[in-house]
Amino acid sequence: GENVEQHPSTLSVQEGDSAVIKCTYSDSASNYFPWYKQELGKGPQLIIDIRSNVGEKKDQRIAVTLNKTAKHFSLHITETQPEDSAVYFCAALDNYGQNFVFGPGTRLSVLP
Amino acid sequence: GAGVSQSPRYKVAKRGQDVALRCDPISGHVSLFWYQQALGQGPEFLTYFQNEAQLDKSGLPSDRFFAERPEGSVSTLKIQRTQQEDSAVYLCASSLMPSGGATDTQYFGPGTRLTVL
Repeated sequence: GENVEQHPSTLSVQEGDSAVIKCTYSDSASNYFPWYKQELGKGPQLIIDIRSNVGEKKDQRIAVTLNKTAKHFSLHITETQPEDSAVYFCAALDNYGQNFVFGPGTRLSVLP
Repeated sequence: GAGVSQSPRYKVAKRGQDVALRCDPISGHVSLFWYQQALGQGPEFLTYFQNEAQLDKSGLPSDRFFAERPEGSVSTLKIQRTQQEDSAVYLCASSLMPSGGATDTQYFGPGTRLTVL
């Protein structure tokens, strides 16, 4: 089945700097890759997603890039703010195209 | 509008007790998913409903876990004879469209934190 790896597990940046989180997946048939942000005591919230027919997508300070050949995708956050501090999860659709397989998460801390 | 809600938010059970966790999806959402999230890990798929039909229960860890969605809206995840390894956050998510190749956004509830003593 699908396997998703995520790095780094923790990331600390200064406010205003950029943060990059990388994920790799195993199933070349996967075609949808969402990123979720989870704050303490809350459920994951979708922040951006990308489909396999595009290589990059941007939404204000957040962008995602996808390299299907290498089977990896990355989340880029620019001009980080303290409220960006949270755990971020990447995910990929599994072999059957029904269920998401999540990465283990990255705890991002933005230091003021 | 209202999002996905779950109750209770916290549940403490003694080992061997049965528990029932409730999920109220967004009104009109066809698909409903249950996930288990261990401390410091990503959510892991448990089961999927399309309306009232349970189409995939491949992620349920044992036959002590049972889920239902009898009227195609509210869902209940039941765990019988709870064990310490069942301690986790149980997340419910819903999406508007049927799954199966679809890439519809899943909206998550806040989760129920289950602690088994």
